[in-house]
Amino acid sequence: DGGITQSPKYLFRKEGQNVTLSCEQNLNHDAMYWYRQDPGQGLRLIYYSQIVNDFQKGDIAEGYSVSREKKESFPLTVTSAQKNPTAFYLCASSPARGNQPQHFGDGTRLSIL
Amino acid sequence: QKEVEQDPGPLSVPEGAIVSLNCTYSNSAFQYFMWYRQYSRKGPELLMYTYSSGNKEDGRFTAQVDKSSKYISLFIRDSQPSDSATYLCAMTNYNTDKLIFGTGTRLQVFP
Repeated sequence: DGGITQSPKYLFRKEGQNVTLSCEQNLNHDAMYWYRQDPGQGLRLIYYSQIVNDFQKGDIAEGYSVSREKKESFPLTVTSAQKNPTAFYLCASSPARGNQPQHFGDGTRLSIL
Repeated sequence: QKEVEQDPGPLSVPEGAIVSLNCTYSNSAFQYFMWYRQYSRKGPELLMYTYSSGNKEDGRFTAQVDKSSKYISLFIRDSQPSDSATYLCAMTNYNTDKLIFGTGTRLQVFP
């Protein structure tokens, strides 16, 4: 059963702590994306990757980092430099660049302790 | 001005009504248009994917694109309480790496 798996579903971060959100896909998609969703603001792109070992900053990359060591995996680290991390984080993938629809996981809700 | 504008709602309709959801955009280069449905605490789910102008129908859903007016619509016929969700439009052109999303319209269908 192909899809995108995000974990954990809920995550709490203490002040000054880095946390890592997991995203795994078994759709054999080349491209993967991370979005942040806040109420009333839609989806904002954090980072994306078109190929293994390569990634680009999106519109709101400050305070976040990613890696793409395997095609299936695209973890997102929310660093202590991100001062307002409370949000719903969505991972997506697509077969190729640009015009292809993206398929989403069910998200991770990150909150500050 | 945002590249894609979408009325946030909420839009509240009775069961069985025809629903019209809309987005306007400013970039005439957009060629590919999508509608996603998002239930609370879930990821968006692709509903419709269309290219250029025209209509596309899938069951109770019809997507319509008017490139001359830079306006897209999603129609839902015989709406059901299970259609209650947030609907996001998204669009792009061939040479970009990104989808541009609307902010979403919240729809409530009451029995």
